[in-house]
Amino acid sequence: RKEVEQDPGPFNVPEGATVAFNCTYSNSASQSFFWYRQDCRKEPKLLMSVYSSGNEDGRFTAQLNRASQYISLLIRDSKLSDSATYLCVVNPLTGGGNKLTFGTGTQLKVEL
Amino acid sequence: ETGVTQSPTHLIKTRGQQVTLRCSSQSGHNTVSWYQQALGQGPQFIFQYYREEENGRGNFPPRFSGLQFPNYSSELNVNALELDDSALYLCASSLQVAGANVLTFGAGSRLTVL
Repeated sequence: RKEVEQDPGPFNVPEGATVAFNCTYSNSASQSFFWYRQDCRKEPKLLMSVYSSGNEDGRFTAQLNRASQYISLLIRDSKLSDSATYLCVVNPLTGGGNKLTFGTGTQLKVEL
Repeated sequence: ETGVTQSPTHLIKTRGQQVTLRCSSQSGHNTVSWYQQALGQGPQFIFQYYREEENGRGNFPPRFSGLQFPNYSSELNVNALELDDSALYLCASSLQVAGANVLTFGAGSRLTVL
C-alpha cells in the first residue's frame, strides 16, 4: 500500500463547478498535512495546510479525518486558472522536519 | 527576498556518468531538502541537510549524495547514472523550526539519462 494515495484523475469540470479531491494516508502517526498545487512542468507550491478542525481559504476548503486517515480538498466556483495537479502531502514526523511524503497527485482540468 | 534557485535547469547525461546539481536556498532558510519527481509521480524525498549535515534520508541508494555549505546552499551528486534516474530534481528550503514544515521549492533541474 502506498503511504499517500490519491485518485490521479483527470477531473474535467466546467467553470463554476464544485470539485472535491480525496486522499488517504497509511501512517497513523502522521502529524502535518498539506495540499500543494503543481502546474505543468513547474515546481509544487503550497496551497494550504490542513488542520484537524478543517480550514477554509477563499474558495478552497480542506478537511482532515484522523480516525479514517483521510484528507479532502474542496474547490468551489472553479476557475480556468485552477487547472493544475493537486498533491496531497503528509509529514509523518513529530517535532518539525521536512521529510514530506507526496501522493501522485490529482489532475484537474477546468473547461469553459 | 530571493527564492530558491537551481542549476542547471536541464541537462542530458549518459548511463554511468556522474552529475552535480546545485541549489541556493531562500534567504533566511537554513534547511535544504532534495526530492526526485519522475514523470507522472509525486516528488520522492531523497535527503535533507541542516547545518551542513545530512538530517534524514529517503529510500535512495548511496550513489545519491549531497552537501550543504556554510551559506546554506547545497549540491546533489548522483554517481553511476541509470536510465531510471531521469526525473525532475527539486530542491526545497525551509527554516528548521519545530512544527514548521512549509517548504519553498525551486523550479527544478530536469535530468535526462540516455
